[in-house]
Amino acid sequence: NAGVTQTPKFQVLKTGQSMTLQCAQDMNHNSMYWYRQDPGMGLRLIYYSASEGTTDKGEVPNGYNVSRLNKREFSLRLESAAPSQTSVYFCASSQSRTLNTEAFFGQGTRLTVV
Amino acid sequence: GESVGLHLPTLSVQEGDNSIINCAYSNSASDYFIWYKQESGKGPQFIIDIRSNMDKRQGQRVTVLLNKTVKHLSLQIAATQPGDSAVYFCAENANTGNQFYFGTGTSLTVIP
Repeated sequence: NAGVTQTPKFQVLKTGQSMTLQCAQDMNHNSMYWYRQDPGMGLRLIYYSASEGTTDKGEVPNGYNVSRLNKREFSLRLESAAPSQTSVYFCASSQSRTLNTEAFFGQGTRLTVV
Repeated sequence: GESVGLHLPTLSVQEGDNSIINCAYSNSASDYFIWYKQESGKGPQFIIDIRSNMDKRQGQRVTVLLNKTVKHLSLQIAATQPGDSAVYFCAENANTGNQFYFGTGTSLTVIP
């Protein structure tokens, strides 16, 4: 079982460039999430998708967009990258639509914006 | 937003000793809590969870205690092993809310 797979694992962008982070899960989970993790801080929710066809903002959505392509895939897009978006990004999924169950995380994407 | 915090950012223990990692939460409406373990370069991994209708839950070598009166959560690891070295996060969720809030993490180092 692959679980939650993120690509790429590492990325360097110049300020103003755009990119899409990909995430796929093979657990048939309904809910998917994107978090960012900054040094010395916990994970902060960027966007989530409680079920296929729906997306909602989390705690820190500014500068990001998401697409729930199908039940398996949930992508995160940076339209115009800024140095403040340098972070480690984690995708996660969980079974429940209400978010009240454990989430399984991918390995992370380390993004540097210069 | 609501915040979840930890009392100690780092903890060092001798191999074989018990470890206790603490977490304070501020949202009295939170009714579901999870402890995650994150090893260097990896994503968080579920350890154990507890719902607000319980005050204690045990897993394999781990116990979570919940004190709703003082809004405090703790993770106890028995007979700590070198493989337990990691950063541990608590996370809370209110059933009326739509997201988990994570604490900043406690770095546990096990000394052989």
